[in-house]
Amino acid sequence: GEDVEQSLFLSVREGDSSVINCTYTDSSSTYLYWYKQEPGAGLQLLTYIFSNMDMKQDQRLTVLLNKKDKHLSLRIADTQTGDSAIYFCAESTSGTYKYIFGTGTRLKVLA
Amino acid sequence: DADVTQTPRNRITKTGKRIMLECSQTKGHDRMYWYRQDPGLGLRLIYYSFDVKDINKGEISDGYSVSRQAQAKFSLSLESAIPNQTALYFCATSDPRGGSSYEQYFGPGTRLTVT
Repeated sequence: GEDVEQSLFLSVREGDSSVINCTYTDSSSTYLYWYKQEPGAGLQLLTYIFSNMDMKQDQRLTVLLNKKDKHLSLRIADTQTGDSAIYFCAESTSGTYKYIFGTGTRLKVLA
Repeated sequence: DADVTQTPRNRITKTGKRIMLECSQTKGHDRMYWYRQDPGLGLRLIYYSFDVKDINKGEISDGYSVSRQAQAKFSLSLESAIPNQTALYFCATSDPRGGSSYEQYFGPGTRLTVT
């Protein structure tokens, strides 16, 4: 079945760039998402990318998609302590109900 | 005001008790979902509903039931709670007509502990 995998933890120093990686198995994925979960809160959409795109940039966030390798990454430039959270990769396919979420990567930003 | 609300936010209950978690939304979305989150496992889908008359099982529906009382309300019940149902539960909505991203909107979660 479909699967989305992420590493569980990432630690970076404040001001450095963070790169969170994700791999997925469903070749029919239409949309790929990055959600952020802050402590005590639900998930909030950070950004998404269509499967026919290679890259999307939004202020400090850069999403790279390698469709051949089914690899998605989220780069956060100039990481701040407020970026400390759990980041979930997810995918969905147009016309279906399904969203498949990864395990989440806990990002810890060290001052 | 929050678009997707969940009550209660925290609940401790005993094994064998019946418990209901409630979700309300003001987004006007037809699609609603219940997920549970466990450390290291991400989010897993329990049930989903595309409208008031449409209820579907997700990947882990055993031990749970749902009710879609209205477009805006979707409740999750544990008929006889067991300790391995201790988790963080999220309600979410989506509206594929409202945009092209199929974004899901999440409530703040209910932390359930079964002792």
